[in-house]
Amino acid sequence: NAGVTQTPKFQVLKTGQSMTLQCAQDMNHNSMYWYRQDPGMGLRLIYYSASEGTTDKGEVPNGYNVSRLNKREFSLRLESAAPSQTSVYFCASSMGRAKRNTEAFFGQGTRLTVV
Amino acid sequence: AQTVTQSQPEMSVQEAETVTLSCTYDTSESDYYLFWYKQPPSRQMILVIRQEAYKQQNATENRFSVNFQKAAKSFSLKISDSQLGDAAMYFCAYRSANYGGSQGNLIFGKGTKLSVKP
Repeated sequence: NAGVTQTPKFQVLKTGQSMTLQCAQDMNHNSMYWYRQDPGMGLRLIYYSASEGTTDKGEVPNGYNVSRLNKREFSLRLESAAPSQTSVYFCASSMGRAKRNTEAFFGQGTRLTVV
Repeated sequence: AQTVTQSQPEMSVQEAETVTLSCTYDTSESDYYLFWYKQPPSRQMILVIRQEAYKQQNATENRFSVNFQKAAKSFSLKISDSQLGDAAMYFCAYRSANYGGSQGNLIFGKGTKLSVKP
């Protein structure tokens, strides 16, 4: 079972470069999320997609854009990377509103360094 | 807005001993879920245990159990018979059961780093 798959696992960018982080889930989940993890800060929500065709801002959306390409895929784009975006990024998915008592499943994370 | 607080940045336990990690949260909602996630050095986020707020009984999963005090808004994790493989970051998380708006979003504490001494 693949679960949630993120690519790439590691990336180094120069300031001002752009890149897209890819995420796909094979659990037929409705909701998908992008979090960033910084030392001492826990995980903070960047954007989420409650269902296919919808996206909404989370706690820290500035500098990011997202696309819910279809039910399986949810990408995160950095248009002009900044050193403050150096972080570990996690994609997650859950059944969402369709079911109670549902946990979120996480990808393995992307360590992004912006120099 | 809901918040989750983990007041212990680091904890240490001797192998085979018991350790308790603390978590408090703030919410005005009555229906919600609480989770403990484990993050080993591999970075993978692993669900350890979940608690539904409307259930009074504390959740238990093998060596892991919680002490859920709804009135005090406290949700601590007890690890019994600690093993070397328990060494990791542990995150407490809250999720609303409200299906409007940001359904399913997890709100995380800042984490507690647990070390296990042989």
